[in-house]
Amino acid sequence: AQSVSQHNHHVILSEAASLELGCNYSYGGTVNLFWYVQYPGQHLQLLLKYFSGDPLVKGIKGFEAEFIKSKFSFNLRKPSVQWSDTAEYFCAVNFGGSTLGRLYFGRGTQLTVWP
Amino acid sequence: GAVVSQHPSRVICKSGTSVKIECRSLDFQATTMFWYRQFPKKSLMLMATSNEGSKATYEQGVEKDKFLINHASLTLSTLTVTSAHPEDSSFYICSASGQGAEQETQYFGPGTRLLVL
Repeated sequence: AQSVSQHNHHVILSEAASLELGCNYSYGGTVNLFWYVQYPGQHLQLLLKYFSGDPLVKGIKGFEAEFIKSKFSFNLRKPSVQWSDTAEYFCAVNFGGSTLGRLYFGRGTQLTVWP
Repeated sequence: GAVVSQHPSRVICKSGTSVKIECRSLDFQATTMFWYRQFPKKSLMLMATSNEGSKATYEQGVEKDKFLINHASLTLSTLTVTSAHPEDSSFYICSASGQGAEQETQYFGPGTRLLVL
């Protein structure tokens, strides 16, 4: 069955620490990959996405993610987090790369950054 | 660009009544809209996918007679929870994709908190 896993449920960091959130999916075919962020009390916002091309994609607010096909992974990274990065982060995958297709979401990772 | 709104943001209703939630794409034509349900500390669960002018496609286990979805225009989809019960209390989120927004990307509304007493 197609699924998306986020193994880190809650990550706590101090400001300026580096961040890496894991995302793995179960499917060997074409995928479209997304990271969304949900700040407290706000709606989901797109951080970045990968469809094809350079497997290292850069998104907003200094975030980047790397698609490693052999590992079925799309980990999110940021070299230096800020207090304002405190939020819930969701990895989402569109299996089969179908246009306007459904997304499978991971269960989310709560990031708490202490000032 | 690519803004999606939902109304109301929160609603409280009595058991047995029906509640309608609206999802609007404000600056693009949403050919496809999705309805999700989010449980506390859990991921988003897709309930149904609707294409403008067509019947919605429901996910397995979602009662289509209970969760009525209408997508009559390119900017509006509605979810009606019929004969709501306390177990229907949840956070309902819509998303939209289509012309005028980034290709193959869903844009999410702010969600509607439903509490059924």
